[in-house]
Amino acid sequence: SAVISQKPSRDICQRGTSLTIQCQVDSQVTMMFWYRQQPGQSLTLIATANQGSEATYESGFVIDKFPISRPNLTFSTLTVSNMSPEDSSIYLCSAGASTNEKLFFGSGTQLSVL
Amino acid sequence: DAKTTQPPSMDCAEGRAANLPCNHSTISGNEYVYWYRQIHSQGPQYIIHGLKNNETNEMASLIITEDRKSSTLILPHATLRDTAVYYCIVRGSNYGGSQGNLIFGKGTKLSVKP
Repeated sequence: SAVISQKPSRDICQRGTSLTIQCQVDSQVTMMFWYRQQPGQSLTLIATANQGSEATYESGFVIDKFPISRPNLTFSTLTVSNMSPEDSSIYLCSAGASTNEKLFFGSGTQLSVL
Repeated sequence: DAKTTQPPSMDCAEGRAANLPCNHSTISGNEYVYWYRQIHSQGPQYIIHGLKNNETNEMASLIITEDRKSSTLILPHATLRDTAVYYCIVRGSNYGGSQGNLIFGKGTKLSVKP
């Protein structure tokens, strides 16, 4: 099984600023994904982090707002840019080795924007 | 959109079996049924997954109907620590793009009571 570490675990930010969230996996994985969970809601997929190429974004999410990097098979970052209070959510990283194997999740980053 | 339907909430007495149903009538032949749970303020935890055969592990059993249009997650002896939101997810087996990710619905909030 893979262990996923996310940093920071929580942060309080001012509107208009940006925050970069890091996701580190303890083994090489094929797939990495970023999710958002707004208060009281289920998880929503933001994008697939592709190693060595641009991320694939889901409808409603754009690269300018949520730039993603994935320089290798164990690490990815998600930046929440030009933040507003509506971006206050939990952001979660998930990763897995193949499509018919389980995906693991990090413990999430609790973001509050004032 | 999520391809599954689950009851929004269920109660279960501690020590009894918890049977959580899920409908996935549009599932296709190469799609797996996954179950995750999320305990408050934590990342989703993998429980079990299956394609068409029933599966059992140390956490739970997964019963999939012969036509694969529905399934049931069984927690054989529920404890208070099993109180969580349980998500039933249909996941494609084709790697690439958004096929390998998990699309979460609203899940079932299971409350285990003493």
